[in-house]
Amino acid sequence: TQLLEQSPQFLSIQEGENLTVYCNSSSVFSSLQWYRQEPGEGPVLLVTVVTGGEVKKLKRLTFQFGDARKDSSLHITAAQPGDTGLYLCAGLGGTSYGKLTFGQGTILTVHP
Amino acid sequence: GAVVSQHPSRVICKSGTSVKIECRSLDFQATTMFWYRQFPKKSLMLMATSNEGSKATYEQGVEKDKFLINHASLTLSTLTVTSAHPEDSSFYICSADPHSLYGYTFGSGTRLTVV
Repeated sequence: TQLLEQSPQFLSIQEGENLTVYCNSSSVFSSLQWYRQEPGEGPVLLVTVVTGGEVKKLKRLTFQFGDARKDSSLHITAAQPGDTGLYLCAGLGGTSYGKLTFGQGTILTVHP
Repeated sequence: GAVVSQHPSRVICKSGTSVKIECRSLDFQATTMFWYRQFPKKSLMLMATSNEGSKATYEQGVEKDKFLINHASLTLSTLTVTSAHPEDSSFYICSADPHSLYGYTFGSGTRLTVV
């Protein structure tokens, strides 16, 4: 069984602060996806990283895929209350072919 | 593009009754769809993989007879919760792969409450 360890599980910060969420695994993934989910809605894709060492930026969000494609991070600069939500990393590939392996999720709360 | 529509968004049913949840891919064909269950403030838990024209593949611990999955066409998969009990109350989400290399697309979820 593939595992994707996501941390921290909870993050409560003030507006303007920076934060990083981590996803780590002993398994190699062909790609890793980051989603954001709001209460009562389905997850919405933020980014997919495919190449080891890849860095993608989406406005104030920076995503990294580890060189060995076993880990990834999401960094948010100058967090805003609108960033509040559940962030999920999900790996594709490895032994769970065709199925996404989800991390435990990070509940981010940004206080004004 | 790559939209998955899930219906209903909310449903309340009585214990012992059955409830059907639909998941449709609106602008692409999906030979495979996935059904997840999510508890409050928790991550998604894969229940089963729905395969068009064949039997669904269930994850360990998921009761096949309780959670019936039908994938009769390339754009529709259904999940039927049979003989529902209060402990089946949860948020159910479906997803499909549009093969766009950009990630799976998720439905908006169904909040099931069994009273």
